[in-house]
Amino acid sequence: GAGVSQSPSNKVTEKGKDVELRCDPISGHTALYWYRQSLGQGLEFLIYFQGNSAPDKSGLPSDRFSAERTGGSVSTLTIQRTQQEDSAVYLCASRRDLNRETQYFGPGTRLLVL
Amino acid sequence: SQQGEEDPQALSIQEGENATMNCSYKTSINNLQWYRQNSGRGLVHLILIRSNEREKHSGRLRVTLDTSKKSSSLLITASRAADTASYFCATVRDSGGSNYKLTFGKGTLLTVNP
Repeated sequence: GAGVSQSPSNKVTEKGKDVELRCDPISGHTALYWYRQSLGQGLEFLIYFQGNSAPDKSGLPSDRFSAERTGGSVSTLTIQRTQQEDSAVYLCASRRDLNRETQYFGPGTRLLVL
Repeated sequence: SQQGEEDPQALSIQEGENATMNCSYKTSINNLQWYRQNSGRGLVHLILIRSNEREKHSGRLRVTLDTSKKSSSLLITASRAADTASYFCATVRDSGGSNYKLTFGKGTLLTVNP
């Protein structure tokens, strides 16, 4: 079956612009995660969805970052007024259900803020 | 924030040799997982070991866990050039609930020379 997909693969934007990153999890996976990988900070958790709700948003670095998930499937991570320090690879992962521990990662979106 | 620390940061070996990577963490955990990443993109789950397990095998992979020392090791036997990648350990904290968010170490860059 299809794995986790993310779009776009690469995104170059100018400082101050808003960007939207999309994640399509594996069909039927109820849990969805966003992580960020940057040179300075390594791999960091951003937000966790269970269904359409986000019980853990503790990793979002500022109020410029937001995410939503609709229909228990697709998720969008939005970064408003991008800054150069937002440049990173944004990774999405999904997990089947409460009793399955393995997360399956997408290929990531490489964001470059100029 | 980063919980785990891997060592070495980089490891270069010849094909056929064994590669050992170590990971240390700080808090009590539910489980520890190892992931592989090629070319800075998507992460591939390799193996999961639970806090009540001490050793686990999967093909050429052997993982050990010492909860008293808060450390784990990943052994890749009979390495191949195709094993060249970055390897990350990730922990799931023992805090209850079903979040299962991952806290990653900084990773080990493994180069296997043909």
